[in-house]
Amino acid sequence: ETGVTQSPTHLIKTRGQQVTLRCSSQSGHNTVSWYQQALGQGPQFIFQYYREEENGRGNFPPRFSGLQFPNYSSELNVNALELDDSALYLCASSQFAPLVRSETQYFGPGTRLLVL
Amino acid sequence: AQSVTQLDSQVPVFEEAPVELRCNYSSSVSVYLFWYVQYPNQGLQLLLKYLSGSTLVKGINGFEAEFNKSQTSFHLRKPSVHISDTAEYFCAVSVLYNFNKFYFGSGTKLNVKP
Repeated sequence: ETGVTQSPTHLIKTRGQQVTLRCSSQSGHNTVSWYQQALGQGPQFIFQYYREEENGRGNFPPRFSGLQFPNYSSELNVNALELDDSALYLCASSQFAPLVRSETQYFGPGTRLLVL
Repeated sequence: AQSVTQLDSQVPVFEEAPVELRCNYSSSVSVYLFWYVQYPNQGLQLLLKYLSGSTLVKGINGFEAEFNKSQTSFHLRKPSVHISDTAEYFCAVSVLYNFNKFYFGSGTKLNVKP
């Protein structure tokens, strides 16, 4: 158990809808990253939030957006859902500061999204 | 740019036999190296990591991995596998920019047979 929780565990949406996924970080961690894991593939980095601001982004369109709250919990929002957005969405938390190395990310169980 | 290649998509092995899961990476900068395990319908669990120092690192559940800088490899090994090791294994590299980004391989499914 990493202490990272995600909700919901499963979700079914239709194309064009919007979805919000939630993540609660491990205690003491101030950074959260989101990954998309399509079936049969490794996780792909979406973005990372530190101190409530996005501080890194992968190759995902702007319809993927996020929030980080003062308690370091986080949301991933996806607008205008497409069939290819069907995947397992993983949240990972870590402790990061500019002068402190943050090597390890701890993953939650994921939210499985199916877009019909 | 960074990339991770896991050469075997599936590895079948009999219980109590040794196993090696291969991982090669490409990077123009120094990286940290990780192995994660994913059991069915679960998230990723950290097995072990290489940050610096000894190139042989030991992890949980009897797994170990060796960092080879010249071959840019980080292969995972276990001398004797159990049925419970059946899972998917992901190799990952981490580059510290001003943020911590992980690059994952496509995974290797380890199938331990009785």
